Amino acid sequence: QKEVEQNSGPLSVPEGAIASLNCTYSDRGSQSFFWYRQYSGKSPELIMFIYSNGDKEDGRFTAQLNKASQYVSLLIRDSQPSDSATYLCAVNDREYGNKLVFGAGTILRVKS
Amino acid sequence: KAGVTQTPRYLIKTRGQQVTLSCSPISGHRSVSWYQQTPGQGLQFLFEYFSETQRNKGNFPGRFSGRQFSNSRSEMNVSTLELGDSALYLCASRGGGGTEAFFGQGTRLTVV
Repeated sequence: QKEVEQNSGPLSVPEGAIASLNCTYSDRGSQSFFWYRQYSGKSPELIMFIYSNGDKEDGRFTAQLNKASQYVSLLIRDSQPSDSATYLCAVNDREYGNKLVFGAGTILRVKS
Repeated sequence: KAGVTQTPRYLIKTRGQQVTLSCSPISGHRSVSWYQQTPGQGLQFLFEYFSETQRNKGNFPGRFSGRQFSNSRSEMNVSTLELGDSALYLCASRGGGGTEAFFGQGTRLTVV
């Protein structure tokens, strides 16, 4: 059973700080990784997609992938109250084509 | 460019009834996956369709079924509804393996 683990939180950070969200996965052969943001009552919104070791930056967001250690993280710089949401980590299950395996999500609260 | 469209947005059904949900993927995307999201189980994979063929299926009973049409639109059907089927049903649109997955707004199903 392939698994994706996330700390459920809540993670509380002050406005303007860096929020660091972490995710570990069990399948060493996984190749594609996703971070989604989900506001209460809404559908998941894709924030970052990464498949190569190292960092990928997009605006205030940076995804970091370390395949040897089987973890992927998301950094949010200059956190804003509007970033308060649940962040879902997902891993592509390579045995099932386009199936995504999701973690339970981390609740982020940015306090102004 | 239009996003992923799911209809209807909300549904209330009675136990024992059946329901059909619809998903229109992003233009050009041939892969449609369906997920069920509940507070207790998180996001669970139901099945994936690619070019009108079901490629993968999650661990759900046979009451859950789906199909995909030649224009890539997909429907999922749930027969003999149970209270536990109450959930947010999400479809994800992808262009192919290893690419980004984009979600629709979801259909909120309530079984009473």
